[in-house]
Amino acid sequence: EDQVTQSPEALRLQEGESSSLNCSYTVSGLRGLFWYRQDPGKGPEFLFTLYSAGEEKEKERLKATLTKKESFLHITAPKPEDSATYLCAVPDNSNYQLIWGAGTKLIIKP
Amino acid sequence: DTGVSQNPRHKITKRGQNVTFRCDPISEHNRLYWYRQTLGQGPEFLTYFQNEAQLEKSRLLSDRFSAERPKGSFSTLEIQRTEQGDSAMYLCASSFWGAQDFGGYTFGSGTRLTVV
Repeated sequence: EDQVTQSPEALRLQEGESSSLNCSYTVSGLRGLFWYRQDPGKGPEFLFTLYSAGEEKEKERLKATLTKKESFLHITAPKPEDSATYLCAVPDNSNYQLIWGAGTKLIIKP
Repeated sequence: DTGVSQNPRHKITKRGQNVTFRCDPISEHNRLYWYRQTLGQGPEFLTYFQNEAQLEKSRLLSDRFSAERPKGSFSTLEIQRTEQGDSAMYLCASSFWGAQDFGGYTFGSGTRLTVV
C-alpha cells in the first residue's frame, strides 16, 4: 500500500538550533516528492519538488534532500517565523492524486 | 493573478443545512482539486477537474457532496444535509498538468466549516 510517514509529529527547537524533519515513503515508481509549509488556518504553501535520489533543493534556511526511501527537510539556524507544520506528499499510481503525510509541527522558540 | 481564492473563509451552519463553497483557481492552471483537512492530518482528496470535466471523485465522498466547474473557470463544492462529521477545512488547489509532470499545487487559504 502506498504510504507517506512523517516524523517526528512535533519538534520544539530554540532559535538557532538546527535539525531535520523526516518523510519516508513507500510508492512504486516515484514521480516526485513535494514539501509544503502550512501556517495555522491557512492552506499549504508549496516549498520544493524533488524528483530523483541525490537531488537537493534549498530555500533560505531550508534544504530538502531525497533518497530512494525518504526525504529530509533540514532547517539551519531557524527563526521563530519558521514555526509551521511541514507536510510532504508523493503522487500515487494515478495521474491526479497525492498521498500526504500527517505533517511535522515545528515550533521555534526565541 | 493573485493565486487561488476561496470563499467564504469561515462558515458555521446548523446540522442538516446545505452549504456551498467557491474556489477561483489560477487562470493558467488546467486542473482544480478539492481536498478536506482535519486537525493534525494531511489533506484528504475529494475530487478534481481537468478543465471543465470532473474526472475523479473519492470513494470516501458521500452522495451529499457535489462539485461543479462550469466553463472550466471557478468551482463550487456543495454539501447537502450537513453532519457534524463534515466539520473540517475544505481546501481548493490548482495546478498545471503536463505530460509526465505532476506539477506543484497552489492552494487557497481554505474554508473552515463548523457544523453545530
